[in-house]
Amino acid sequence: GAGVSQTPSNKVTEKGKYVELRCDPISGHTALYWYRQSLGQGPEFLIYFQGTGAADDSGLPNDRFFAVRPEGSVSTLKIQRTERGDSAVYLCASSLTNSGNTIYFGEGSWLTVV
Amino acid sequence: GENVEQHPSTLSVQEGDSAVIKCTYSDSASNYFPWYKQELGKGPQLIIDIRSNVGEKKDQRIAVTLNKTAKHFSLHITETQPEDSAVYFCAASKQGAQKLVFGQGTRLTINP
Repeated sequence: GAGVSQTPSNKVTEKGKYVELRCDPISGHTALYWYRQSLGQGPEFLIYFQGTGAADDSGLPNDRFFAVRPEGSVSTLKIQRTERGDSAVYLCASSLTNSGNTIYFGEGSWLTVV
Repeated sequence: GENVEQHPSTLSVQEGDSAVIKCTYSDSASNYFPWYKQELGKGPQLIIDIRSNVGEKKDQRIAVTLNKTAKHFSLHITETQPEDSAVYFCAASKQGAQKLVFGQGTRLTINP
């Protein structure tokens, strides 16, 4: 079946602009996660949703970052007033539930802030 | 919080030889340890995982071992092939928390 789908795959934006990154999880998966991966590093946790609610947003770096999942399926990661340091690959992942199930990652959205 | 250390950062082996990548973790409450393979421009792909009630798990040429007392776990790839070349990440999390903490990655190169 279809995996985790992320759009856009690549985004170049100017410093100070607003960006939205979209994630469509595997059908039926109730848990959804956002990670950020800088070049040469492992993914770092940002936020995770169980259903529509953000169960843990402790990884969001500051209040410029926000994520929503209004209907418990598709999620959008929103970044306001982008900075060059926000440049990274933003990875979305999903799992069947939030309890002991395998986490599957999408291909990522590569964000470059110039 | 949890901290995961991964070694080596790069590893080069001859095709057909074995490769071993090691990780240590700091939080004794962690009980789920997946390994991901990441190819250039792609997302991490789960290759094997182990839970803390198991000491070893094998899937064809890939095996993972876990030592809870020492808080370390290892990935073993036997009979390596060129397509095994990639970056490998270990990770750890607590049951129900599902917040994976990743190691820094190992770039594995298989030389034909």
